[in-house]
Amino acid sequence: DGGITQSPKYLFRKEGQNVTLSCEQNLNHDAMYWYRQDPGQGLRLIYYSQIVNDFQKGDIAEGYSVSREKKESFPLTVTSAQKNPTAFYLCASSERRGGSYNEQFFGPGTRLTVL
Amino acid sequence: DAKTTQPNSMESNEEEPVHLPCNHSTISGTDYIHWYRQLPSQGPEYVIHGLTSNVNNRMASLAIAEDRKSSTLILHRATLRDAAVYYCIRSMEYGNKLVFGAGTILRVKS
Repeated sequence: DGGITQSPKYLFRKEGQNVTLSCEQNLNHDAMYWYRQDPGQGLRLIYYSQIVNDFQKGDIAEGYSVSREKKESFPLTVTSAQKNPTAFYLCASSERRGGSYNEQFFGPGTRLTVL
Repeated sequence: DAKTTQPNSMESNEEEPVHLPCNHSTISGTDYIHWYRQLPSQGPEYVIHGLTSNVNNRMASLAIAEDRKSSTLILHRATLRDAAVYYCIRSMEYGNKLVFGAGTILRVKS
């Protein structure tokens, strides 16, 4: 089955520790995205990547880092510099067609809790 | 502000049509309007998108005003499975950036 996988579903970390969230897609999509969602709110864009070895900051990139070494993988690291990291993290991908990007396909999300 | 404006919540009866409104008065000429929906603790699911013309697919219809400052998502026959948060989204940079607002909570009564 084609799709996006995120692991783990739930993640607990102590304050001050860095943590890396996994996102893998087998849809052969060019672009990948990371979003953060807080309770009762919409999604906010953290980072996005349109091509391997290239990525851009979204609206709330401070305290996060990413890499895009392979087309199918886009891991997100939540660093100790992120002041309020407890949230629901969603990864997405989309295909570029005719110069524009169409619908984004989302993974099931990782719920990170920092204790 | 790039965010759209939607009602906080709406309620519908099962098997009746639902019209979900959205205002996007600052939209630019190249921005698409996307609609996604999200169930609790799940990732959003794509519903439909359009630029200027009305659009139909198997899930819904999208009616875009002539001045593009507003749009309406139409679910032709609501079912209990349609209960979700619906996001009207302005997509920027040729679809590469989606700007989510708080969305509309749709409740469907049996």
